[in-house]
Amino acid sequence: GAVVSQHPSWVICKSGTSVKIECRSLDFQATTMFWYRQFPKQSLMLMATSNEGSKATYEQGVEKDKFLINHASLTLSTLTVTSAHPEDSSFYICSARDRNTGTGKYNEQFFGPGTRLTVL
Amino acid sequence: GDSVTQMEGPVTLSEEAFLTINCTYTATGYPSLFWYVQYPGEGLQLLLKATKADDKGSNKGFEATYRKETTSFHLEKGSVQVSDSAVYFCALSDFGNEKLTFGTGTRLTIIP
Repeated sequence: GAVVSQHPSWVICKSGTSVKIECRSLDFQATTMFWYRQFPKQSLMLMATSNEGSKATYEQGVEKDKFLINHASLTLSTLTVTSAHPEDSSFYICSARDRNTGTGKYNEQFFGPGTRLTVL
Repeated sequence: GDSVTQMEGPVTLSEEAFLTINCTYTATGYPSLFWYVQYPGEGLQLLLKATKADDKGSNKGFEATYRKETTSFHLEKGSVQVSDSAVYFCALSDFGNEKLTFGTGTRLTIIP
C-alpha cells in the first residue's frame, strides 16, 4: 500500500518548451502533496506544498510562474515547468501525505520515484 | 533555519560489517528525526523515525537514537547485507511543521 507514481520517469525537451510532470497516489487519498528538486550529490530541496483544491504554497526563491502546480483531485498533482531552460534540468520528486494516517505531530509522506528532466 | 548535516559518501563495506552513518541537525524547535532509504529505481521510503529526545527508532536491523545533547541521529546496523545497498537520507521535521529538511544523502554499497 501507499504507492506514489510519477510520470514520466524521464523527459528531454527543447529550451523554451513546457513540460508537465504528474504525481499520483495510487491507493490512498492525499490532501497534501509536496514537490522537491534534487541536484546531483545534493539533498532534496522542497519547492512547494500542494493542497487539494487550493493554491500551492511555494518556498522562498521558487518562481511560482515558472513552476506551476495544480492539485485538482485527492490523487493527482501536476508540476508544469514553463518555458524550460537548461538550468531547469534536474531530478524532480513528489511526495504525498495520506489524509487518513497519523496522529500527533507528523503524518508520513510517501515518495514517488522521481522524474529526470533534461532541457537541451 | 533548520539544517541536516550528513556523512558524505560513498560508503563501501563488506557484507556483515558494522555500519554507522553520521547525522547531525540544527533546528529551532523540537524536531522529529527520520532516516529514509532509496533503493535503485525506487522512491524514498521511511526507514525509521524518532519523535523525541532519547527515543530509538528501529527497523530492518537498523537503529538510530535521538540525541538532543549532541543534536545527532546516527544510523547504525550491526551486520549489513548486500540488499542494504541504497542511498540513505537523514531528515527532520519541526513540531507543527510538516515540511521535511533533508541531508545530502549517503550512498552505501555492500560487497559480498
